[in-house]
Amino acid sequence: DTEVTQTPKHLVMGMTNKKSLKCEQHMGHRAMYWYKQKAKKPPELMFVYSYEKLSINESVPSRFSPECPNSSLLNLHLHALQPEDSALYLCASSQDQHSNTGELFFGEGSRLTVL
Amino acid sequence: AQKITQTQPGMFVQEKEAVTLDCTYDTSDPSYGLFWYKQPSSGEMIFLIYQGSYDQQNATEGRYSLNFQKARKSANLVISASQLGDSAMYFCAMREGRNQGAQKLVFGQGTRLTINP
Repeated sequence: DTEVTQTPKHLVMGMTNKKSLKCEQHMGHRAMYWYKQKAKKPPELMFVYSYEKLSINESVPSRFSPECPNSSLLNLHLHALQPEDSALYLCASSQDQHSNTGELFFGEGSRLTVL
Repeated sequence: AQKITQTQPGMFVQEKEAVTLDCTYDTSDPSYGLFWYKQPSSGEMIFLIYQGSYDQQNATEGRYSLNFQKARKSANLVISASQLGDSAMYFCAMREGRNQGAQKLVFGQGTRLTINP
């Protein structure tokens, strides 16, 4: 079982809806990530939080709003999305710089459909 | 700018055979890390193996080994004695620089591996 938990697993929303994706890890990792993955494509980085502060924003549209309430939780707030935003949204975490490898641990993703 | 290339969109292999998945990379940073991930149909990205640019020996993890040829900038994944459960999408990824906590991991296009009984 993955140690990064994402909810919901599936989400269908209209373009005027407001919804949120949630991610939780209890491995003590201090970096957390959101990736977006379209069908048959590799994951693309959206945001990175380090020690609960936004560290990297890959020029993501403002209709996606990340939030890191504490070191274990990461949210992605969704508002006024477009059908082309339909994708698998993957959350990940990694250890801080004391880890030599720093591999990312991923959740199973939230599959989003925008109608 | 970093770049990862996986030239095999799909691979078909008989069960119990070994398989090599190709990955080449391009970076001007002398310090970098290379990763391989497996993504089954469930969607989760599963970390398989890591190779640091300064590591002298090829990384191994169980049935997985990484054929690291630094001069050729290649980091091929070798799976020995393939199993039906190895059928999945495989991604090569690279991080420039050492792990500094928050990091930017860039993925190749992936290779879909199918193991035939």
